[in-house]
Amino acid sequence: AQKVTQAQTEISVVEKEDVTLDCVYETRDTTYYLFWYKQPPSGELVFLIRRNSFDEQNEISGRYSWNFQKSTSSFNFTITASQVVDSAVYFCALSEVGTSGSRLTFGEGTQLTVNP
Amino acid sequence: KAGVTQTPRYLIKTRGQQVTLSCSPISGHRSVSWYQQTPGQGLQFLFEYFSETQRNKGNFPGRFSGRQFSNSRSEMNVSTLELGDSALYLCASSLTAQMNTEAFFGQGTRLTVV
Repeated sequence: AQKVTQAQTEISVVEKEDVTLDCVYETRDTTYYLFWYKQPPSGELVFLIRRNSFDEQNEISGRYSWNFQKSTSSFNFTITASQVVDSAVYFCALSEVGTSGSRLTFGEGTQLTVNP
Repeated sequence: KAGVTQTPRYLIKTRGQQVTLSCSPISGHRSVSWYQQTPGQGLQFLFEYFSETQRNKGNFPGRFSGRQFSNSRSEMNVSTLELGDSALYLCASSLTAQMNTEAFFGQGTRLTVV
């Protein structure tokens, strides 16, 4: 069975600090996808990134960067120079692809609060 | 391009009643998935539909059911509501069913059972 663990329940930082959100996953499959979503107070999950299991290249998108390490089964997310608007709950998720369709398994989420 | 639309946004029901939630996916998307979010259990997968067929189902009792129409719109139904069914129900749509494209979520329907 697949599992995603986000050990940090809550993180509080001051604006302009860098912050890293940890994600560790478990899966028996060799083909899978990893995701990060942001959930603002309005409720919808906003897609941030998708990474497939064969692509271990780190990615940077503006102030966001992701570090994927298969050796440690981790897919960590770093926000550089955090802003108040980054305050939200962030979810890491894993999808295995099978003949019976797909599903996302989510971690517990990390509540990030960026204080001015 | 319109996003995923879920109706209604808020709902209050009494124990024992049934409820139907609706999800209209992004135009052209054929896969719709449903998730339940509660403070205690987090985000849990309910079911996935693709081309009107249920392809995957999570570990929920038979009181939870769904369907997808030919225009890809989906509904989920919960019968004999229990207090524990109070949750945010999120719908996601994607182009394919294989997760090789991103899933886009609606704002959810917040169901309160009293």
